[in-house]
Amino acid sequence: AQKITQTQPGMFVQEKEAVTLDCTYDTSDPSYGLFWYKQPSSGEMIFLIYQGSYDQQNATEGRYSLNFQKARKSANLVISASQLGDSAMYFCAMRDPESNSGGYQKVTFGIGTKLQVIP
Amino acid sequence: DGGITQSPKYLFRKEGQNVTLSCEQNLNHDAMYWYRQDPGQGLRLIYYSQIVNDFQKGDIAEGYSVSREKKESFPLTVTSAQKNPTAFYLCASSIWTGSSGNTIYFGEGSWLTVV
Repeated sequence: AQKITQTQPGMFVQEKEAVTLDCTYDTSDPSYGLFWYKQPSSGEMIFLIYQGSYDQQNATEGRYSLNFQKARKSANLVISASQLGDSAMYFCAMRDPESNSGGYQKVTFGIGTKLQVIP
Repeated sequence: DGGITQSPKYLFRKEGQNVTLSCEQNLNHDAMYWYRQDPGQGLRLIYYSQIVNDFQKGDIAEGYSVSREKKESFPLTVTSAQKNPTAFYLCASSIWTGSSGNTIYFGEGSWLTVV
């Protein structure tokens, strides 16, 4: 069974500083995918970034980057130059390898980290 | 604009009543999902559907039912058999392209409260 662990229930960061949100995962399959989602207080889940297990380089999307350390099974999200609008819950998730057919993606989510950006 | 629309945003249910949450997408995605989110927890999968007229139970399907009569629509019914239905419900969709950029897109969610 897959497992996603987010050990930081809450984090604070000063505006304009960088912050790292931790995520570790457990799977025995060599093929998987890792996601990060942002959930503001409005409730919508917003896709931020994706990393495939076979991708050679760490994923980056604007101010978001994923620090992928395969041997340590960690996929930490780094947010650079934090903004007040970054205050939200952040969820790490992993796509199960059985997802590779029919468009269905079985995804396991962590319990999230609440990030608060301080002015 | 393309996206996933859930309605209603807020819904109150009396004990013993069934309620239906609507989910419509215009992304032309094949797969659709329903997740439940409780405070302090991540998302848990209720049901998913890969194609029209087909759906499968997720991890917490008891007390819920779905239908997939159209590609665009995947309504969720919370039945009276669901003992603790108060939660935030998220609908999602995805399409498999075979590239490393596959992802699941979510609607804005529906808050269900039992009164």
